[in-house]
Amino acid sequence: NAGVTQTPKFQVLKTGQSMTLQCAQDMNHEYMSWYRQDPGMGLRLIHYSVGAGITDQGEVPNGYNVSRSTTEDFPLRLLSAAPSQTSVYFCASSFVAPSDTQYFGPGTRLTVL
Amino acid sequence: AQSVTQLDSQVPVFEEAPVELRCNYSSSVSVYLFWYVQYPNQGLQLLLKYLSGSTLVKGINGFEAEFNKSQTSFHLRKPSVHISDTAEYFCAVRSSGGSYIPTFGRGTSLIVHP
Repeated sequence: NAGVTQTPKFQVLKTGQSMTLQCAQDMNHEYMSWYRQDPGMGLRLIHYSVGAGITDQGEVPNGYNVSRSTTEDFPLRLLSAAPSQTSVYFCASSFVAPSDTQYFGPGTRLTVL
Repeated sequence: AQSVTQLDSQVPVFEEAPVELRCNYSSSVSVYLFWYVQYPNQGLQLLLKYLSGSTLVKGINGFEAEFNKSQTSFHLRKPSVHISDTAEYFCAVRSSGGSYIPTFGRGTSLIVHP
């Protein structure tokens, strides 16, 4: 049971480049989400999903796309990277029951030059 | 709508001293409350959670939290901290009905000095 995995762990991009952050979970969780963490800002929700084929925007969705074709995978795409997207990105998953714990991946540290 | 306020952004403390990290929430419905810990360069992991029943909840690594409905608080405590407790601590709330999206506080950085 690997839990929530994220790849890559580190990434450096140039402004305008695109890339995909990968997230996978093996716990059959319906709910998956992406956060970014910046100093002094806590965790900010980017996008979330409650099942395959269902996604929705969070607090800071601009510049990011997601898709959910399977229960296990929830990739985050940066369409045209900007320096403001320099951050640490976390993927999380859980069952939709509100009593359930969120399980977080180890994070991806992204730098946009 | 629900919100979470962590009153202290940073709490410095000496090793073996007691510590309290404060968390207040607001919600129009009943909630479930969580504390998560983030060690340096890692993801968040669950410390403890309150679902129902006894208002005093015990978690991992000697931490405990008390749910106070009248004061809408869920403060985290530890009677004697260790250097290894240095980490970021997040309080979170999830509504018992309606939105399943958790709301996180901004985090409290606990810094334990030798």
